[in-house]
Amino acid sequence: AQKVTQAQTEISVVEKEDVTLDCVYETRDTTYYLFWYKQPPSGELVFLIRRNSFDEQNEISGRYSWNFQKSTSSFNFTITASQVVDSAVYFCALRGGAAGNKLTFGGGTRVLVKP
Amino acid sequence: NAGVTQTPKFQVLKTGQSMTLQCAQDMNHEYMSWYRQDPGMGLRLIHYSVGAGITDQGEVPNGYNVSRSTTEDFPLRLLSAAPSQTSVYFCASSYLSGGSYEQYFGPGTRLTVT
Repeated sequence: AQKVTQAQTEISVVEKEDVTLDCVYETRDTTYYLFWYKQPPSGELVFLIRRNSFDEQNEISGRYSWNFQKSTSSFNFTITASQVVDSAVYFCALRGGAAGNKLTFGGGTRVLVKP
Repeated sequence: NAGVTQTPKFQVLKTGQSMTLQCAQDMNHEYMSWYRQDPGMGLRLIHYSVGAGITDQGEVPNGYNVSRSTTEDFPLRLLSAAPSQTSVYFCASSYLSGGSYEQYFGPGTRLTVT
């Protein structure tokens, strides 16, 4: 069985602060994919990143960065110099290699960035 | 391309009523899925389809039916609505790319059962 845990249910920061969202996963598959999605107040799901289990390189995209560590089964997400527009719920998700197109989601972390 | 479309955006049902949530995609994706989103629980898979005529159960299938007669459409039927089915429902379609599935989500349907 697969499982994704996002232990932080809500994080509140002041604009320009950095914020790190934790994601811990469990899977028995040797090949798997990890994802982050953003859900702004408007409700749609916005794809942010996909990472496969063979690629442990960290990734940076603008103010966003991701730290993938297989040794601790974690795929953490950092927003640098947060902005009010970053206020949203962020979901981490996992797909095992044998799971086809089925995603297992974490419970989500709500980020509130105050001006 | 319109992407993944869902109708209606909002719906209120009384307990025991039935209804169908519509989902359509115009990207010729083989794979389609239905998820429900509940507070604190992320999204959970209800049913999925790997092609026209083929469907299977996800994590929380009870109370829901699906069918896939065409590649484009994947309706979700609630047979006898219950308050526990109050949720936001997302349809997704995906295709295989570079060893992984690129998943596209619809805008969601907010359902309230009273």
